[in-house]
Amino acid sequence: DQQVKQNSPSLSVQEGRISILNCDYTNSMFDYFLWYKKYPAEGPTFLISISSIKDKNEDGRFTVFLNKSAKHLSLHIVPSQPGDSAVYFCAASSNTGNQFYFGTGTSLTVIP
Amino acid sequence: EPEVTQTPSHQVTQMGQEVILRCVPISNHLYFYWYRQILGQKVEFLVSFYNNEISEKSEIFDDQFSVERPDGSNFTLKIRSTKLEDSAMYFCASRLQGAGVNQPQHFGDGTRLSIL
Repeated sequence: DQQVKQNSPSLSVQEGRISILNCDYTNSMFDYFLWYKKYPAEGPTFLISISSIKDKNEDGRFTVFLNKSAKHLSLHIVPSQPGDSAVYFCAASSNTGNQFYFGTGTSLTVIP
Repeated sequence: EPEVTQTPSHQVTQMGQEVILRCVPISNHLYFYWYRQILGQKVEFLVSFYNNEISEKSEIFDDQFSVERPDGSNFTLKIRSTKLEDSAMYFCASRLQGAGVNQPQHFGDGTRLSIL
């Protein structure tokens, strides 16, 4: 049962342009959403999060948008840099915090 | 910056043997997790642990698996009677607080388990 879905396995973007990564979820009990970045041979690194009481959270070049009615969140990276090339996972949890559900990841390639 | 550390980075084990994966969570964190990622697949939750007991576990975490916090710093995952399909990356994560507080998990770099 795939409660968090990332339908785009890969994305290529030119350096300096915007990268938009998308994520959908099915469980209406989720109230905390996160994006992680993962390089090969490393663990996921926390990037940015948003709680369900907000619809936008911004941290430097990274902005996460949450559309609760559509059960959809997105990560915007602008401007994209070659160092952003990695696999990006979205994750979600309910307020118990006992389990985080991960999407299958989107591999972002930023072309210099 | 404090980090979660996992040892070993790569473990090769004969099928049927027992293996123990070790993790040192961030020192003031209270919640601990194990995940696994089979090659090419998503990161899957195995178990969460708080106050010296399991908080939640997935269907994957059956009697073959156990977790322990043997002292104040280590958090271990034991896999008994390993099978070929247990081959995966195993990630440990920790979190400062849990229920009702939105905080991210912090992950270690994983242990690659190869069952022969």
